[in-house]
Amino acid sequence: DTEVTQTPKHLVMGMTNKKSLKCEQHMGHRAMYWYKQKAKKPPELMFVYSYEKLSINESVPSRFSPECPNSSLLNLHLHALQPEDSALYLCASSQMGQGGSPLHFGNGTRLTVT
Amino acid sequence: QQPVQSPQAVILREGEDAVINCSSSKALYSVHWYRQKHGEAPVFLMILLKGGEQKGHDKISASFNEKKQQSSLYLTASQLSYSGTYFCGTDYNYGQNFVFGPGTRLSVLP
Repeated sequence: DTEVTQTPKHLVMGMTNKKSLKCEQHMGHRAMYWYKQKAKKPPELMFVYSYEKLSINESVPSRFSPECPNSSLLNLHLHALQPEDSALYLCASSQMGQGGSPLHFGNGTRLTVT
Repeated sequence: QQPVQSPQAVILREGEDAVINCSSSKALYSVHWYRQKHGEAPVFLMILLKGGEQKGHDKISASFNEKKQQSSLYLTASQLSYSGTYFCGTDYNYGQNFVFGPGTRLSVLP
């Protein structure tokens, strides 16, 4: 069982819709991440929150908007997405910043944009 | 800067050994190894920090050659459950530039 929980597991949305992905961890980790993964590719970093503050934004389009309401929760708000945004979106957490401690991944949300 | 992994894919029979390599052109602070099965999330295997250490558990171990900026993952007496895509992740700037390699697809056949 994963200790990082993501909802929903699957999401289909139109290009004009607004939706949110949710992530929760109760391991006391202070760093949380959003990754995007296309088929047969490695996870690609989107955002990093460290101590509830956005520390890294990898030049992600503004149609993706992250939010960290508290140390256990991470949201990704989606608006006016494009079909090429269809992918597996993974949330992860780590005790320290990335590089220094293991990443614990959730099972992901498989997003399809129609 | 994305690390290079080799081979891209490998097919084994149960019980055979495999080595997966990960190399970087920059001096590394840490190397991570993850395994991802089809349709699942990546699962952490081990982390090696600057210092050239070797780690392992069960029949999976890894080494980190700081001078060569290279890490190798060793899978011995492979089992069917070892099948999946193995990603290394490297960091050369104390957490500011962590990036995954392209992956090595491992298939273990009975």
